[in-house]
Amino acid sequence: NAGVTQTPKFQVLKTGQSMTLQCAQDMNHEYMSWYRQDPGMGLRLIHYSVGAGITDQGEVPNGYNVSRSTTEDFPLRLLSAAPSQTSVYFCASTSGQVYNEQFFGPGTRLTVL
Amino acid sequence: SQQGEEDPQALSIQEGENATMNCSYKTSINNLQWYRQNSGRGLVHLILIRSNEREKHSGRLRVTLDTSKKSSSLLITASRAADTASYFCATPDRGSTLGRLYFGRGTQLTVWP
Repeated sequence: NAGVTQTPKFQVLKTGQSMTLQCAQDMNHEYMSWYRQDPGMGLRLIHYSVGAGITDQGEVPNGYNVSRSTTEDFPLRLLSAAPSQTSVYFCASTSGQVYNEQFFGPGTRLTVL
Repeated sequence: SQQGEEDPQALSIQEGENATMNCSYKTSINNLQWYRQNSGRGLVHLILIRSNEREKHSGRLRVTLDTSKKSSSLLITASRAADTASYFCATPDRGSTLGRLYFGRGTQLTVWP
């Protein structure tokens, strides 16, 4: 199993540009999440999904959109990038059992100029 | 917020010494998890302790949970240089069986050879 994969690993955008961060998992996990990690802030939940076709907002959803058309994929879209979105983005998945560990991807380091 | 808070923010020790990190959280939980993050990498799940457990061991790791004080500790015994990483505690969304986790800001552990 590849686990959780994320692409790209690095990305530089200009303010106002749009892009999609890709996330995929091959563990047949129902639940997937996007976090951002900023220095001194820990991880903050952006959006999450409890299954195909179902998504919900986390702590910091503004400026981001998600969709979940398949169990495997959970892309994160930035419609109009802002410098405040410079961060490291992690995708995670879990089997959704009551006592659940999360499996994380390697992260995408995004810089918005 | 149920965000956990780790203490200390940074810890520096020599190889062979024990490292203790603490986590405090705000509301009732059904489990608490510890993760490790090596520099530039994603988070890796270390150990999960349920609310009805007081202590749990995994190799050189020992986790305690005191629900009356809303606190947990992670002890790494006989530390190695390879243990150098950031350590995070995480708690699930209150009342949720789903995959949402709230993370603290982490403890940066440095183990010197």
